[in-house]
Amino acid sequence: QVQLQQWGAGLLKPSETLSLTCAVYGGAFSGYYWSWIRQSPGKGLEWIGEINQSGYTNYNPSLKNRITMSVDTSRHQFSLKVNSVTAADTAVYYCARGSNLPSSMRWFDPWGQGTLVTVSS
Amino acid sequence: QSVLTQPPSVSAAPGQKVTISCSGISSNIGDNSLSWYQQLPGTAPKLLIYDNNKRPPGIPDRFSGSKSGTSATLGITGLQTGDEAEYYCGTWDISLSAVVFGGGTKLTVL
Repeated sequence: QVQLQQWGAGLLKPSETLSLTCAVYGGAFSGYYWSWIRQSPGKGLEWIGEINQSGYTNYNPSLKNRITMSVDTSRHQFSLKVNSVTAADTAVYYCARGSNLPSSMRWFDPWGQGTLVTVSS
Repeated sequence: QSVLTQPPSVSAAPGQKVTISCSGISSNIGDNSLSWYQQLPGTAPKLLIYDNNKRPPGIPDRFSGSKSGTSATLGITGLQTGDEAEYYCGTWDISLSAVVFGGGTKLTVL
């Protein structure tokens, strides 16, 4: 049974860099699209982007300029960095395994436990 | 406002059936596979339905999905108090080049 465990700093000041890492346990790492999704307080879900084991990335165009994703296949881990954060980046950030199919058939299972990131001066 | 449109809330009594709608356009729901997620209070979303109407292992057949054109529906029969949660639909949007989600529907089991 695949499990995702994530960690990272939970409190940032405006203009700092958000950094999160997600580790994959108990399943294959290759072939899937490893994704980040966030949920602002009291709001819906926003897809941030995805990366595969080869380092291929696909970012949400609305966030593309501030995002970097990376992968460490030897450790079965993938990471997210968001530059120049503002209060609008305050959210619970989830990592998730995206389906090993074309983008038109993308769903997410399982999800990590979530990390609350708060941006405040 | 979310790209996909869901009703903010639905409610029904225990044992009854409820449906949750998800509306989009041709560039998202019309041309791509739809998935549904259940988010219990304080927890991460959980995949309920994928590829429009398929259930992952362990999801009871009380949950069903369907899609027609640019709309989709999640059905839940035999409602239980444990089904009280937020439900989200999601799919790929060709025009936006991104995965998009609905705004979520809060299910209350009266």
